[in-house]
Amino acid sequence: AQKVTQAQTEISVVEKEDVTLDCVYETRDTTYYLFWYKQPPSGELVFLIRRNSFDEQNEISGRYSWNFQKSTSSFNFTITASQVVDSAVYFCALSEGFGSSNTGKLIFGQGTTLQVKP
Amino acid sequence: DTGVSQDPRHKITKRGQNVTFRCDPISEHNRLYWYRQTLGQGPEFLTYFQNEAQLEKSRLLSDRFSAERPKGSFSTLEIQRTEQGDSAMYLCASNTGELFFGEGSRLTVL
Repeated sequence: AQKVTQAQTEISVVEKEDVTLDCVYETRDTTYYLFWYKQPPSGELVFLIRRNSFDEQNEISGRYSWNFQKSTSSFNFTITASQVVDSAVYFCALSEGFGSSNTGKLIFGQGTTLQVKP
Repeated sequence: DTGVSQDPRHKITKRGQNVTFRCDPISEHNRLYWYRQTLGQGPEFLTYFQNEAQLEKSRLLSDRFSAERPKGSFSTLEIQRTEQGDSAMYLCASNTGELFFGEGSRLTVL
């Protein structure tokens, strides 16, 4: 069965600190996509990144970076030099299959609430 | 606005009443999804459509819930005989790759 676990329920940091959000997933498929979404207090889920299971290259986008390690079934998310505006709930998600075998259905983790204090 | 839109944004109802939510996806997206999110949890999949065909339903979707997408454009999610446990945020999303979510419809059942 597919499952996504975000063991950190809440994290609190002071502005400018680096913070890593952990994500561990379970799937029997060899083809799948992994996602991160941000949910600010306004409630709308904002797409951050999608990676496929064959692409283990780390990705960096500004202050955001993602570390995908298939060997440990982990897809961790690091925010460098955190800012107050980064305060939100962050969700990791999994979608099985590629192409026509992918329904687009996402299985979400429980979310990690990040609070960045000034 | 070319995003996913949902209506109403908030609905307060008494137990036993019926409620209906509407979702207008991004116009060129042929897949549409409904999720439910309760406080402190991640969104849970309810059902999805490809064009007008409902292709999958979660076991969370009891027989009091029905979703339609009659012309492959907008979709409605109806909850009959609401219960307090139905209180949640109902999220709609559409995609051709990444899932784009609407702002959700928050339901409170008194």
